[in-house]
Amino acid sequence: QKEVEQNSGPLSVPEGAIASLNCTYSDRVSQSFFWYRQYSGKSPELIMSIYSNGDKEDGRFTAQLNKASQYVSLLIRDSQPSDSATYLCAVNKGGDDKVIFGPGTSLSVIP
Amino acid sequence: SAVISQKPSRDICQRGTSLTIQCQVDSQVTMMFWYRQQPGQSLTLIATANQGSEATYESGFVIDKFPISRPNLTFSTLTVSNLSPEDSSIYLCSVQKDAQLVSYEQYFGPGTRLTVT
Repeated sequence: QKEVEQNSGPLSVPEGAIASLNCTYSDRVSQSFFWYRQYSGKSPELIMSIYSNGDKEDGRFTAQLNKASQYVSLLIRDSQPSDSATYLCAVNKGGDDKVIFGPGTSLSVIP
Repeated sequence: SAVISQKPSRDICQRGTSLTIQCQVDSQVTMMFWYRQQPGQSLTLIATANQGSEATYESGFVIDKFPISRPNLTFSTLTVSNLSPEDSSIYLCSVQKDAQLVSYEQYFGPGTRLTVT
């Protein structure tokens, strides 16, 4: 089992819809969770961090964490074509300064 | 966050040669990391660059192939030695600014695209 798993996609949503990106992780002691956005040809950009169970909202983005289910998700409301990118889920296990990245989900927002 | 620069942004190298990539941060940071991202793939951690001591390498990466320096808290270099076409990739440095290592948020440089011919 891979440490961090994501649906590879591509995920296509129409402009204005909600895009839902999912991530599962294998290590129950994980404590910090991140979502990065990576445009083609660019480096990853941190867009959300979440540390506690529940929801965290930042503008059109909502991160959801369920540690019991070892599941973290990212919702993008009112999706825009500019949201088209690969979204990387990343997890830190705690007690270790490393972050493990998932394979990424490619999102395409169709005008 | 942090302002991170990398040099060169891209290079084409012949097999058997070496390339040294520089990573410069605009402020002191606790942790610096080097990643590889092969075409269409996610990020793979090569090593943690430790200031004042030898880098900590991940499984599958060795110092002879990927020597790393970190002379101070704002600068690091990664050398990719004895290049082969399989080394063609994007190499990224990242930093953690949190001195308490509470958040573990990492910020990435723009990357170096290496092509080996």
